[in-house]
Amino acid sequence: NAGVTQTPKFRVLKTGQSMTLLCAQDMNHEYMYWYRQDPGMGLRLIHYSVGEGTTAKGEVPDGYNVSRLKKQNFLLGLESAAPSQTSVYFCASRPGLAGVTYEQYFGPGTRLTVT
Amino acid sequence: DQQVKQNSPSLSVQEGRISILNCDYTNSMFDYFLWYKKYPAEGPTFLISISSIKDKNEDGRFTVFLNKSAKHLSLHIVPSQPGDSAVYFCAAMDWSSGDKLTFGTGTRLAVRP
Repeated sequence: NAGVTQTPKFRVLKTGQSMTLLCAQDMNHEYMYWYRQDPGMGLRLIHYSVGEGTTAKGEVPDGYNVSRLKKQNFLLGLESAAPSQTSVYFCASRPGLAGVTYEQYFGPGTRLTVT
Repeated sequence: DQQVKQNSPSLSVQEGRISILNCDYTNSMFDYFLWYKKYPAEGPTFLISISSIKDKNEDGRFTVFLNKSAKHLSLHIVPSQPGDSAVYFCAAMDWSSGDKLTFGTGTRLAVRP
């Protein structure tokens, strides 16, 4: 199992450009999440999904869109990148309602710089 | 409004000694807590968790303590090893308001050989 993978690992964008970050998991997990990590801020939830075809807003959703067309993939889109979106982006997933643990499994991250 | 706080940005301990990492929270609705460990250029990895119905959970060298009245939890690592050097995040969840984790800002642990 590859676990949670993220594509690309690094990207530099110019202000106003668009891009899509891809997250894929091979663990048949129901729930998937997108976070951003900034210095001194911890991880903040951008959007999440509780199942194929569903998405919901997290703590910092502005400027981002997401889609979950397939259970194993969760896409994060930036329509018009801004320097404030320079960050490290992490995807995570976890099984559905199991009740025993709520741990999330994280990908390796995507480092995005917007100039 | 930082609902989960890790007030110590860094901690340095000697190999073999105990490491104690602290976390405070303000939301009394949080009912599940987790600790994650993060190495540079990698994603966070789950370490240990605790439900609000417990006050202690152990897993090998790692023990998490929860004091609900003080809204405080701590992670104890005994004995500390150089490989434990990483950033540690605590996270909390309020099950009633959705399946979301709120993370603290992290504590960087350095274990000196």
